Amino acid sequence: QQQVKQSPQSLIVQKGGIPIINCAYENTAFDYFPWYQQFPGKGPALLIAIRPDVSEKKEGRFTISFNKSAKQFSLHIMDSQPGDSATYFCAAWGSRLTFGEGTQLTVNP
Amino acid sequence: DSGVTQTPKHLITATGQRVTLRCSPRSGDLSVYWYQQSLDQGLQFLIQYYNGEERAKGNILERFSAQQFPDLHSELNLSSLELGDSALYFCASSASGSNTGELFFGEGSRLTVL
Repeated sequence: QQQVKQSPQSLIVQKGGIPIINCAYENTAFDYFPWYQQFPGKGPALLIAIRPDVSEKKEGRFTISFNKSAKQFSLHIMDSQPGDSATYFCAAWGSRLTFGEGTQLTVNP
Repeated sequence: DSGVTQTPKHLITATGQRVTLRCSPRSGDLSVYWYQQSLDQGLQFLIQYYNGEERAKGNILERFSAQQFPDLHSELNLSSLELGDSALYFCASSASGSNTGELFFGEGSRLTVL
């Protein structure tokens, strides 16, 4: 049973663009929302995370926006670079970490 | 480098066989998690161990089993393998048993069942 819905499935932007990846959840018991980045042949790596009492968090070019009432959160990548091309997973932590389906991002030069 | 080591990196076997995947967590991490990643199912949680004890169980088939040893390394045993078991199997570790979802993943073991 998928409890975290992620969209889009794939995304192509030009260098410098701002890709946005959206996630929605149903379980209000989730209390921590990390994003993971996965490059081909590698395991997922923690990118940035947010708690539901915070509406926005920035780390470098990566920003999470969180809407608790709508049970939605999103990842924005500012000034995207070809090196950001990867698969991004949103996730939610309750008693275990539940992942979204993943978004394959391609940043063209 | 996450500090989590998984072996083997690749494994090819036949249906009906049994394999064992091994994971060494980051130094000092007590929790080990196993995830299965396939194209159509994404990252699916299988099981978690904390300091040798099973802590949580997810979508793990009865043909699969796991354990965590006193030295904290973990093994995932997959038996009576089917074609559909072909996937990437990831191990992850974290410092505590009830954490915030900040897991450190290994590079995975790619299992191909022919």
